[in-house]
Amino acid sequence: GAGVSQSPSNKVTEKGKDVELRCDPISGHTALYWYRQRLGQGLEFLIYFQGNSAPDKSGLPSDRFSAERTGESVSTLTIQRTQQEDSAVYLCASSLVFLSAKNIQYFGAGTRLSVL
Amino acid sequence: SQKIEQNSEALNIQEGKTATLTCNYTNYSPAYLQWYRQDPGRGPVFLLLIRENEKEKRKERLKVTFDTTLKQSLFHITASQPADSATYLCALDPGDGGATNKLIFGTGTLLAVQP
Repeated sequence: GAGVSQSPSNKVTEKGKDVELRCDPISGHTALYWYRQRLGQGLEFLIYFQGNSAPDKSGLPSDRFSAERTGESVSTLTIQRTQQEDSAVYLCASSLVFLSAKNIQYFGAGTRLSVL
Repeated sequence: SQKIEQNSEALNIQEGKTATLTCNYTNYSPAYLQWYRQDPGRGPVFLLLIRENEKEKRKERLKVTFDTTLKQSLFHITASQPADSATYLCALDPGDGGATNKLIFGTGTLLAVQP
């Protein structure tokens, strides 16, 4: 596709269930980011993938959160044993990583997660 | 501590006026700063990038300034239109020479342009 695609667009789950969110980046973009955005708040960095390098997981809020990426394509963000505080919009972005690209990020529309 | 601050209060202006949004940062030394626009229910969209050695950057009705001494960027929209109403986010690189390839985002300022 032409842009970053995220699915599902909305997810309602019960507290304690696991959820999996998917991100399909722009073809050729080697970097992929996950962010969390709570209502009325800014973007909170979660995790960053760059090629075959070890991911930067420094933003993951707890060990209930994990993410994987297959090569330079699809990524999944998994939240285990969801809590109500996990309710937020989860945004994925991809970018080219070379000097002139200056890390301009292209975002998907996000997945709105509601934990009841 | 490191932080990026944008005016958390909404900015309301009249159509045709110039909107000015502020982004202040502390304890970062960014090589560049970016501005994004976010509409409700959408992801942010890149607008402009300004490098540390640039004072000003323009694109159509948009203008960005970057003062590394004041640690501040100003984002201007001239001849504002109701369609410019959105949340505007600033983002900067942490200034670690690209080691992390991360952007740090501000919390955004909501702009409302009244017809």
